[in-house]
Amino acid sequence: EVQLLESGGGLVQSGGSLRLSCAASGFSFSSYAMNWVRQAPGKGLEWVSGISVSGGTTYYADSVKGRFTISADNSRNTLYLQMDRLRAEDTAVYYCAKDHATVVPSYYFDDWGQGTLVTVSS
Amino acid sequence: VIWMTQSPSLLSASTGDRVTISCRVSQGISSYLAWYQQRPGKAPELLIYAASILQSGVPSRFSGSGSGTDFTLTISYLQSEDFASYYCQQYYNFPRTFGQGTKVEVK
Repeated sequence: EVQLLESGGGLVQSGGSLRLSCAASGFSFSSYAMNWVRQAPGKGLEWVSGISVSGGTTYYADSVKGRFTISADNSRNTLYLQMDRLRAEDTAVYYCAKDHATVVPSYYFDDWGQGTLVTVSS
Repeated sequence: VIWMTQSPSLLSASTGDRVTISCRVSQGISSYLAWYQQRPGKAPELLIYAASILQSGVPSRFSGSGSGTDFTLTISYLQSEDFASYYCQQYYNFPRTFGQGTKVEVK
């Protein structure tokens, strides 16, 4: 059974930093692209970032480009999101999401964690 | 950026109804479209990918259709557990983008 467990959320002041982690189990972590998707309170879903199988290619939403960094440690089966220069509009539940495909990543998502809440106070 | 517009934003329906949700895309994306269901307080779940392929384990009352710029999610016979929010997502290019969501509520 695929399990994705996010951690690292919390309350931070505007301009501050947080590092989110997503511990993965139940599948071959190094074989799948991974992503972060967020949801502001009462709002819809917003894709934030994705990382390729090798980790050599990363993708970002324009809203976070230059402030957030996605990475993965295959030896620890863990996905990370380093969030710097946080803004009030980054307040959201952040979900870790696994790619549906293996050989050719698709960047749509068949397994999700339960999310971790990030609150940025202004 | 590819923009996704879902309609309606809110849909009131009863158990047993047939419901249809539309997703219109700002440019052609072939069939690179997925649909998700999100129940309150829960993570989203993948329902359909490639516009019309049912994800494993998803009930057959769900179906998807369309290509290019116009897509539809249909629930043929609404069940109590289907009252939830639904999102479309394009995976044609980056950034990946979602529709704003459609909430299916009890009439």
